[in-house]
Amino acid sequence: EPEVTQTPSHQVTQMGQEVILRCVPISNHLYFYWYRQILGQKVEFLVSFYNNEISEKSEIFDDQFSVERPDGSNFTLKIRSTKLEDSAMYFCASSEGLAGDDTQYFGPGTRLTVL
Amino acid sequence: AQKITQTQPGMFVQEKEAVTLDCTYDTSDQSYGLFWYKQPSSGEMIFLIYQGSYDEQNATEGRYSLNFQKARKSANLVISASQLGDSAMYFCAGGESYNTDKLIFGTGTRLQVFP
Repeated sequence: EPEVTQTPSHQVTQMGQEVILRCVPISNHLYFYWYRQILGQKVEFLVSFYNNEISEKSEIFDDQFSVERPDGSNFTLKIRSTKLEDSAMYFCASSEGLAGDDTQYFGPGTRLTVL
Repeated sequence: AQKITQTQPGMFVQEKEAVTLDCTYDTSDQSYGLFWYKQPSSGEMIFLIYQGSYDEQNATEGRYSLNFQKARKSANLVISASQLGDSAMYFCAGGESYNTDKLIFGTGTRLQVFP
């Protein structure tokens, strides 16, 4: 069964450093997403990506963040100048269609720890 | 804007018994979907079941069923014949078909199954 994959599973970085989180969505999916979950809290939407551009972003997704689909399979989230409060689990997800109509399948997550 | 409410922070159930996890939603969109995800202690988000707003039948997937009451704006998850492996966090999430790409998550319910 196709699945979303994410690398690395755990990333530790120093405050102020840049990190890139990588995802390979399910191959026939058209919509890609990043969510985050701060420990013990609920899952929050960051950004959605469709047709090679951002289609929606949350207030959290400020200039510190960027997304890219560098080739036909990878989808990346870059966090510049990380802060302590960026420590969280970051989930990539993908779907065939719109949020109300099609299931978003999540990857296993990347746990980011900023020291 | 959509809102998802889960009022049960924790639930206990004995193995082999059925349990209902509550979820209410609020949306202005006529077309929407409701989803349940399971998050075990390992952290991944596992899709369980989907209910579309226009579906007349309650969704079922194996031991999972969704008690969808549109007039009451509730989409409760019923797990039948609970197993020890069902112990996890359960998140209800909602997606709209036209207004937004994102899933809105509830705060989750921690289910513990005891022998």
